[in-house]
Amino acid sequence: DQQVKQNSPSLSVQEGRISILNCDYTNSMFDYFLWYKKYPAEGPTFLISISSIKDKNEDGRFTVFLNKSAKHLSLHIVPSQPGDSAVYFCAARQTGANNLFFGTGTRLTVIP
Amino acid sequence: GAVVSQHPSWVICKSGTSVKIECRSLDFQATTMFWYRQFPKQSLMLMATSNEGSKATYEQGVEKDKFLINHASLTLSTLTVTSAHPEDSSFYICSASTGTGDYGYTFGSGTRLTVV
Repeated sequence: DQQVKQNSPSLSVQEGRISILNCDYTNSMFDYFLWYKKYPAEGPTFLISISSIKDKNEDGRFTVFLNKSAKHLSLHIVPSQPGDSAVYFCAARQTGANNLFFGTGTRLTVIP
Repeated sequence: GAVVSQHPSWVICKSGTSVKIECRSLDFQATTMFWYRQFPKQSLMLMATSNEGSKATYEQGVEKDKFLINHASLTLSTLTVTSAHPEDSSFYICSASTGTGDYGYTFGSGTRLTVV
């Protein structure tokens, strides 16, 4: 049972434009959400996170939006750069638990 | 920042043999480490949670006798794939928890296991 879902397996964006990666979840007990960037044959690298008490968190070119009522979050990257090309995973943590539940990932390709 | 070293980065072994994967936290103490498995084009699936000095907690469907986890110190956890079979071929990733903040989960670089 996939509690965290990323329905778009891939996304292509022109350099300089905005990339929007989406993530949906089903467990209302999730209280913390994270985005990771992953290159092939490497471990995920933390990108940005958001607590369930917020609806937006921004860090440079990266902004994460959380819509709790819709159980949906999104990662915005603007402007997109070719170096952003990677697989992006969203992850969620349940209240009181320590482990993360991951989505299936979205492969972002930024075209120069 | 927190660094997790995972070794080896790739390994090829014969069917029936055992393989040990190490996960070390280099500059912090990790009371909890996690082992994930990733199949091609799929999500990272949690296999087990390893706590220093105690038995690992395995997720449903993961054979604890096949995937032996040892977390003998605050900086080292090992995953041993016993009697490996071709279907165990996968990408294994460890993660260490510092227990605090956004950077509470630091991942190793992963191990590509191929069983022939």
